[in-house]
Amino acid sequence: NAGVTQTPKFQVLKTGQSMTLQCAQDMNHEYMSWYRQDPGMGLRLIHYSVGAGITDQGEVPNGYNVSRSTTEDFPLRLLSAAPSQTSVYFCASSYLVGPRRGTQYFGPGTRLLVL
Amino acid sequence: GQQLNQSPQSMFIQEGEDVSMNCTSSSIFNTWLWYKQEPGEGPVLLIALYKAGELTSNGRLTAQFGITRKDSFLNISASIPSDVGIYFCAGLNSGGSNYKLTFGKGTLLTVNP
Repeated sequence: NAGVTQTPKFQVLKTGQSMTLQCAQDMNHEYMSWYRQDPGMGLRLIHYSVGAGITDQGEVPNGYNVSRSTTEDFPLRLLSAAPSQTSVYFCASSYLVGPRRGTQYFGPGTRLLVL
Repeated sequence: GQQLNQSPQSMFIQEGEDVSMNCTSSSIFNTWLWYKQEPGEGPVLLIALYKAGELTSNGRLTAQFGITRKDSFLNISASIPSDVGIYFCAGLNSGGSNYKLTFGKGTLLTVNP
């Protein structure tokens, strides 16, 4: 059981470039989410999904797109990277129902630097 | 966004000592989670609490869900050097579909061998 995996671990982009951060989980979790972690700001929710084909915005969604075509995968797209998107990005997943619903497991993170 | 009040902000202790940290909130939660994060890694779930008054252990770690639903405590007994890291509490209301975690700012733990 690999849990939540993320690729790449590190990425450097130039302003205006686009890229996709990959996230996959093998726990059959319905709920998946993306957070960014910045010094002094803590972890903030970007987007989340409650199942394949269903996504919604979190508290800081601007500049990011997501899609959920399968239960396992939840990629995060930066359409036109900006220096303000320099951050560490974490993907998390959990069951949507049952006694442990909402108990989220995090991936190892992607460290992104936008120049 | 809303954050939990987590204290202390940092602790510097000797190996073998016990550690206590806590989180308080002005809002109630129906789930409290405790995570540990080491440099360059993602948060790792340590303990999950689902019922007011619940006391749960995971090895040398013990956490409690406050009976008011507005606080939680984490204790580490007989600390060892590998306990070093940042400990985060997180509150969750799992009634809706947005399982947004509300995090504390973290407690940085340093253990002197």
